[in-house]
Amino acid sequence: DVKVTQSSRYLVKRTGEKVFLECVQDMDHENMFWYRQDPGLGLRLIYFSYDVKMKEKGDIPEGYSVSREKKERFSLILESASTNQTSMYLCASSLEGTSGYFTDTQYFGPGTRLTVL
Amino acid sequence: DQQVKQNSPSLSVQEGRISILNCDYTNSMFDYFLWYKKYPAEGPTFLISISSIKDKNEDGRFTVFLNKSAKHLSLHIVPSQPGDSAVYFCAASYSGAGSYQLTFGKGTKLSVIP
Repeated sequence: DVKVTQSSRYLVKRTGEKVFLECVQDMDHENMFWYRQDPGLGLRLIYFSYDVKMKEKGDIPEGYSVSREKKERFSLILESASTNQTSMYLCASSLEGTSGYFTDTQYFGPGTRLTVL
Repeated sequence: DQQVKQNSPSLSVQEGRISILNCDYTNSMFDYFLWYKKYPAEGPTFLISISSIKDKNEDGRFTVFLNKSAKHLSLHIVPSQPGDSAVYFCAASYSGAGSYQLTFGKGTKLSVIP
């Protein structure tokens, strides 16, 4: 079974703090993703990475950065947390497909509920 | 521009009846579609998928139908059970070079009433 773990289930931070969210997957997946989920807005992609040290902006990268130093670990960084970054953060990973057809199924971690006061 | 739309934010169904969740998409390049199920305070879990070369895929109580001409897919759950109560997300992707992303709809909250 694919296992994606996130460092915290619940986190409370203050405005202006630097926040690190960690994600680890144990299935040797090439691709890793960070989303946020907000009521009525669904899942929105913040950043993704398709290889070590590679990163691509998603739909809402502003106010975030990422780091992927090892294949199994993908970190999301809030440089200076703000109240509008209060959200559920979800990490996911997927396998690079073969035969010209991506295996696009993404496997999600349990999520981190971040509250910024 | 929302490329994947789930127009019903919520749906209530009696236990034992059929649940039908709908999803529309606008990008004709999408060729792979997935449904995820999400309980509160948990991450989404993969449920079922379908590629554009098929029009139906079945897995136990779950069947996904794809109508490419209408750019519409639906998830049927038969029979519905109280444990199916969750938010269901439709997602789509295309197998273009460098494409790794899934585009998600906003979700439909299904409530199965005992």
